[in-house]
Amino acid sequence: AQKVTQAQTKISVVEKEDVTLDCVYETRDTTYYLFWYKQPPSGELVFLIRRNSFDEQNEISGRYSWNFQKSTSSFNFTITASQVVDSAVYFCALTPWGGGGNKLTFGTGTQLKVEL
Amino acid sequence: EPEVTQTPSHQVTQMGQEVILRCVPISNHLYFYWYRQILGQKVEFLVSFYNNEISEKSEIFDDQFSVERPDGSNFTLKIRSTKLEDSAMYFCASSVEAGMLGTEAFFGQGTRLTVV
Repeated sequence: AQKVTQAQTKISVVEKEDVTLDCVYETRDTTYYLFWYKQPPSGELVFLIRRNSFDEQNEISGRYSWNFQKSTSSFNFTITASQVVDSAVYFCALTPWGGGGNKLTFGTGTQLKVEL
Repeated sequence: EPEVTQTPSHQVTQMGQEVILRCVPISNHLYFYWYRQILGQKVEFLVSFYNNEISEKSEIFDDQFSVERPDGSNFTLKIRSTKLEDSAMYFCASSVEAGMLGTEAFFGQGTRLTVV
């Protein structure tokens, strides 16, 4: 069975602060994919990043960066210099590698509020 | 940019009625999915569909649910006899590949189903 835990339910920061969203996962699969999705107030799910389990290089995309540590089963997401537009619910998700289908197991999400 | 389109955005139905939620996946995608999100909770996998058949389904996807790809573009989710607990946001998603070649799933904007 797979499980994704996002222990932070709500985070509130002031604009321009850096913020890290934690994600811890459990899986018996040796290879898998990890994802982050953003759900703004309008409700849609926006894909942010996909990471293979065999690629532990950290990734940076603009103000976003991701820290994947297989040894601690964590895939944390940092927003640098947060902005009000970053306010959303962020979901971490996991899917096994191999077989058909993209059955994502989502965490419960972290609601991020960025205030002026 | 290609996107997954869902209609309607909001549907209200009476308990016991049948509803059909519609989705137009991205045109070159081969894998299709339905997920649901009960208000304030995490996103849950319902079913994946490939090559005109269900490839995987969750325990939530019982006999009340069915999926269909009636033509080359639409992908539908039918709930035969809605219950109050079916009230949720339903997301359609699609991906080019899955499994070993796994690519990210792109989500539609969701259909909010309210059963009264």
